[in-house]
Amino acid sequence: SQELEQSPQSLIVQEGKNLTINCTSSKTLYGLYWYKQKYGEGLIFLMMLQKGGEEKSHEKITAKLDEKKQQSSLHITASQPSHAGIYLCGADRGRDDKIIFGKGTRLHILP
Amino acid sequence: NAGVTQTPKFQVLKTGQSMTLQCAQDMNHEYMSWYRQDPGMGLRLIHYSVGAGITDQGEVPNGYNVSRSTTEDFPLRLLSAAPSQTSVYFCASSYLSPRQGHYEQYFGPGTRLTVT
Repeated sequence: SQELEQSPQSLIVQEGKNLTINCTSSKTLYGLYWYKQKYGEGLIFLMMLQKGGEEKSHEKITAKLDEKKQQSSLHITASQPSHAGIYLCGADRGRDDKIIFGKGTRLHILP
Repeated sequence: NAGVTQTPKFQVLKTGQSMTLQCAQDMNHEYMSWYRQDPGMGLRLIHYSVGAGITDQGEVPNGYNVSRSTTEDFPLRLLSAAPSQTSVYFCASSYLSPRQGHYEQYFGPGTRLTVT
């Protein structure tokens, strides 16, 4: 079974609207990474959350970690075409550098 | 710094052929990893290395070999390519940031491999 479940799998949003992507872990989270991937390109690091309740922002993207629920949510405010891509969450299992990734959420922004 | 570089960008192989995907980083990172990305499957870890001379298996290691003779290079070898290995392959390097308190991971641009 998948350790990290992302929802939704894909999302189509009108430009200017807000949206939320969720990432839920079936195992203990020591840290949660968020990456963005533009179609056909490599991954770009967005942010990393380590402590329960921690919230970080990167431009118009905000992510929060709920340690008790073993869940993180990524929220985009006033979406723009530049936000389109695949968003992946990755879990830090607390040993060396192995990061396990979710399947990703494909985000499309309609003009 | 060039960061993480991967070659080739694209490759087409016939079933049974062998090849090596190259990965190099110039950031002196200890840790390097290989992932494959398939539609609907996300990123899956193939092999990783915690330093020169040390490698270990990830989630999907079968059909792939790696070696880490230097800190900079981490090649991925396909011994006998199969259509199931058609995928996009990403190499990553990372280090433990003392200031941030977590690993910072940098990805290469990827290699698109098709096995016919």
